[in-house]
Amino acid sequence: QKEVEQNSGPLSVPEGAIASLNCTYSDRVSQSFFWYRQYSGKSPELIMSIYSNGDKEDGRFTAQLNKASQYVSLLIRDSQPSDSATYLCAVNTGTASKLTFGTGTRLQVTL
Amino acid sequence: GAGVSQSPRYKVAKRGQDVALRCDPISGHVSLFWYQQALGQGPEFLTYFQNEAQLDKSGLPSDRFFAERPEGSVSTLKIQRTQQEDSAVYLCASSYSTDTQYFGPGTRLTVL
Repeated sequence: QKEVEQNSGPLSVPEGAIASLNCTYSDRVSQSFFWYRQYSGKSPELIMSIYSNGDKEDGRFTAQLNKASQYVSLLIRDSQPSDSATYLCAVNTGTASKLTFGTGTRLQVTL
Repeated sequence: GAGVSQSPRYKVAKRGQDVALRCDPISGHVSLFWYQQALGQGPEFLTYFQNEAQLDKSGLPSDRFFAERPEGSVSTLKIQRTQQEDSAVYLCASSYSTDTQYFGPGTRLTVL
């Protein structure tokens, strides 16, 4: 079992719809959770971080964390074609400092 | 403001050659991380520095991989006797503490 799991996609949503991206992790001591966006041929760009259970909103993005279920999600409202990218979920256990990434979910926003 | 920079952006090496990849972190960031990203995969951790101290090198795949950060700023990742399986994008990230990490543009290494 991989430490951080994501559906590789592609996830296709029409422009203006809500995109829902999901991530599960195996290490219960994980403390910090991140969503990075990566365009093809580019490096990961941080879009959201979340540390406690519940929702965190930033513009069109909402991160949701449920530590009991070991589940993190990212909602993108009013999806735009420019949101088309791979979204990487990353987890930091705190003790090790390193980030453990999922394989990423490719999102396609269609016109 | 300057972000994390890496050089070279692209490197082609013949199998068996040694390569050196450079990372300039964001000014003032004490933590520096190296990751390896294969095509279609998420980044995989290689090693971590806090200032000049290498605190974790558990992700280095073999003793052909070596990293240093002698003055606590610029870091170099060296790969000796490159193999085809070393072909990947090498990403450097820096952080003020050990939490939020900001990535550089990466070095794409191709070993022929």
